[in-house]
Amino acid sequence: EVQLVESGGGLVQPGGSLRLSCAASGFTVSSNYMSWVRQAPGKGLEWVSVIYSGGSTYYADSVKGRFTISRDNSKNTLYLQMNSLRAEDTAVYYCARDEISSGYWGYWGQGTLVTVSS
Amino acid sequence: DIQMTQSPSTLSASVGDRVTITCRASQSISNWLAWYQQKPGKAPKLLIYKASNLESGVPSRFSGSGSGTEFTLTISSLQPDDFATYYCQQYNSYPFTFGPGTKVDIK
Repeated sequence: EVQLVESGGGLVQPGGSLRLSCAASGFTVSSNYMSWVRQAPGKGLEWVSVIYSGGSTYYADSVKGRFTISRDNSKNTLYLQMNSLRAEDTAVYYCARDEISSGYWGYWGQGTLVTVSS
Repeated sequence: DIQMTQSPSTLSASVGDRVTITCRASQSISNWLAWYQQKPGKAPKLLIYKASNLESGVPSRFSGSGSGTEFTLTISSLQPDDFATYYCQQYNSYPFTFGPGTKVDIK
């Protein structure tokens, strides 16, 4: 059974850093395209970043240069390193598995809340 | 970036009603469109991919249509479990973008 479990969210001050993790089971992270999608409180969904099975990465303009997506194949885990955090980064962050490397997501984690506030 | 719009933003309906949600893209996305259902506090759930393909396990009362810039999600007979927010998402090009959502609530 495919499962995605995020962790690492919490309260952080503006300008701070946080690393989110997404532990996968039931499939191999490195063989799939994996994405992060976020949702600000009471708002809609926003795609954040993707890492391809081959290792290429892409980012939304709103996080480019501040966030880094990566994976640890030995741990079958996806990461999102978030630096220079801003109030507008406050959101629930979901990891999700691309279906057949196409750009839509059939499996999602439960989400982890990141709050950026002083 | 490709902008996605949805209408209506809120839809009040009764059990058994036929419901249609429209999604429009700011430029052609062929049929690279997905639909998701989201309930409060939960992750989105994939309903439809490639505009009209029903995800495995999704009830057949859900259907999608359209291509180019205009798409629709139809629920043929609304059930109590269907009251939720629905989002369209284009995956034609990065950055992948979502519509603002349509909330379906009880009339």
